[in-house]
Amino acid sequence: SAVISQKPSRDICQRGTSLTIQCQVDSQVTMMFWYRQQPGQSLTLIATANQGSEATYESGFVIDKFPISRPNLTFSTLTVSNMSPEDSSIYLCSVGDSGANVLTFGAGSRLTVL
Amino acid sequence: GDSVTQMEGPVTLSEEAFLTINCTYTATGYPSLFWYVQYPGEGLQLLLKATKADDKGSNKGFEATYRKETTSFHLEKGSVQVSDSAVYFCALSSGSARQLTFGSGTQLTVLP
Repeated sequence: SAVISQKPSRDICQRGTSLTIQCQVDSQVTMMFWYRQQPGQSLTLIATANQGSEATYESGFVIDKFPISRPNLTFSTLTVSNMSPEDSSIYLCSVGDSGANVLTFGAGSRLTVL
Repeated sequence: GDSVTQMEGPVTLSEEAFLTINCTYTATGYPSLFWYVQYPGEGLQLLLKATKADDKGSNKGFEATYRKETTSFHLEKGSVQVSDSAVYFCALSSGSARQLTFGSGTQLTVLP
């Protein structure tokens, strides 16, 4: 299965700032997703990162707050904009394993907003 | 829409005890079902999966059987170890997008 590298692995940020999280995959993948895991909660899908076009956002998530780039089939970024303490979460990149219907996850980026 | 209901935790067991974590689902069509595990400080790892009714997924001594009649996918292990301490997530995938719907997670702690 694909190997995913996410960075930063963790960061502490000030309210009102923005942070960009990078996701690098060791092979070309069709499907790429961004999830959020709030403290003590399950995972929630933020959006599907589409190569060459705008990301597809789930209900409750908007592009202005969570802009996503996907310049090629191995790389994506998620930006958390104008952060507030409520954005403190683990953000996870995941990719679709073609044909097997299985998602592989990165180790996540743990974000704390003060 | 799709949903996954998972046994609430936390669950604390002694080493070598029997483990069951209940998971039921609601979905249109015929979803694939998964158990993911998250060890402390790590990302999610696929533990096992089943893609059709009556399939049994198994890995590392864990098993789960896809029961369409009861819409369930309960996770079991006959003898847990301290190293099994983690958060376990039940999940389903339906349709072609391969997006996952997760349950709330169950924290398992195994004591020596």
